[in-house]
This record gives sequence, C-alpha cells and structure tokens, in this order.
Amino acid sequence: EVQLVESGGGLVQPGGSLRLSCVGSGFRFSRDWMSWVRQAPGKGLEWVANIKQDGSQKYYVDSVTGRFTISRDNAKNSLYLQMNSLRGEDTAVYYCGRDGLPAGIDLWGQGTLVTVSS
Amino acid sequence: QSALTQPASVSGSPGQSITISCTGTSSDVGSYNLVSWYQQHPGKAPILMISEVNSRPSGVPDRFSGSKSGNTASLTISGLQTEDEADYYCSSYTTYSTQVFGTGTKVTVL
Repeated sequence: EVQLVESGGGLVQPGGSLRLSCVGSGFRFSRDWMSWVRQAPGKGLEWVANIKQDGSQKYYVDSVTGRFTISRDNAKNSLYLQMNSLRGEDTAVYYCGRDGLPAGIDLWGQGTLVTVSS
Repeated sequence: QSALTQPASVSGSPGQSITISCTGTSSDVGSYNLVSWYQQHPGKAPILMISEVNSRPSGVPDRFSGSKSGNTASLTISGLQTEDEADYYCSSYTTYSTQVFGTGTKVTVL
C-alpha cells in the first residue's frame, strides 16, 4: 500500500524542541521531493518546507526559517522535521507529503498534532 | 509569502456549477502554471484534485476543472454533488522556490 505515516507529535513547552518523522512505503521514496504542511486548529493549510530528492535543496516558509530543519534519509524511506524554539503559533497538525513538483502534493500522511503550551 | 486569497464560502444546489477563485500576485500565481487545488473533508488529510492549473490526477471526477488568467486561478465544480461539500485550497509555486496555499473556501451543497 502506498502511504506516508507521521509520528513524533505531542505537547511541548514554548522554547522547546520536537522532531517529527514520516515514513513512506509502497513507492520509491528517493525519487520524490517531500514537503511538510501544517494546519493550526480550525485554520487553513500552511506550507512549511520541502526538500529535494537528494537533500541538496531545502526551502522554508519565512516564519520557521532558522528554527526548523527539514531532512531525509532515503535508506530508511524517512523524512524529518526538527523543530526548535517552538512558539504557541506553531501549534498545528503537521502533515508530510510527497511533492510531485511541479504536479502538486499527491500523497499525504494522516498528520501528527504538535501542541506548544505551558 | 502572503496566503493566496480565496472566498471564505461558496454554495450551490446539487447539479449546479460553482467556481472558486484564487488570487495571488506576479510572484506566484502569475509567474508559473503551477497552481494546484486540494479538497479537505473535516478531520481528514487533503486530497489533490487539480495540478498544474488544469490537470486532473487519476481518479478525480471530470466535473472538477481548473483555469488561470493572470494572477487569478479558478476551480470549477460542474454538476455539484453532496460529497463535494468540503474545504478547498489552492496552492502555487513562488518565485522564491517556496509554495503558498490559499486561505481556503468552504463549499456548501444546499
């Protein structure tokens, strides 16, 4: 079955860190760009970051630049998002997605909830 | 990196056609034919409905179609069905090599 499964979400205090993981299966993970997209409770989608097949190019939304780092391990079919200096406004469901640049995000995980609160 | 502008809500009766607009700038929608549309039902992950302005992925009904003129893209749903009731988001590649989503539109089937 072609799927993405995220993990690593949870409750963290402001200023803390969290690492999200996403494992792909049923497709050749190393062939695709991958993205993280988040959705705050009751709000719209926000693109967070993406990474090229070999990890050589990475792009971020301004609000997370310098705090979040996207990475991947193709040998483990895994995508990661290291989140540091977390703020309340980072509270959201985080989705990983297979980014078929230029053809849109055609495969999404189920999402993992990150809550930043004291 | 401001969000693309969509109407908050659009409604229609079964069988009717509706159109959702998505307005950006010359730095995103206006620069590339790289606009996608996503459908999201409550509590579910988004689903890609349209890519590259007007391409439908396999499995998407042909009542969904996309277009673009200048800085504005549009999604049209023809022959509206009850299962089409959902939130819809556009997205675009940008000149900064990033992506940006629209503000989202709630479609209600009356």
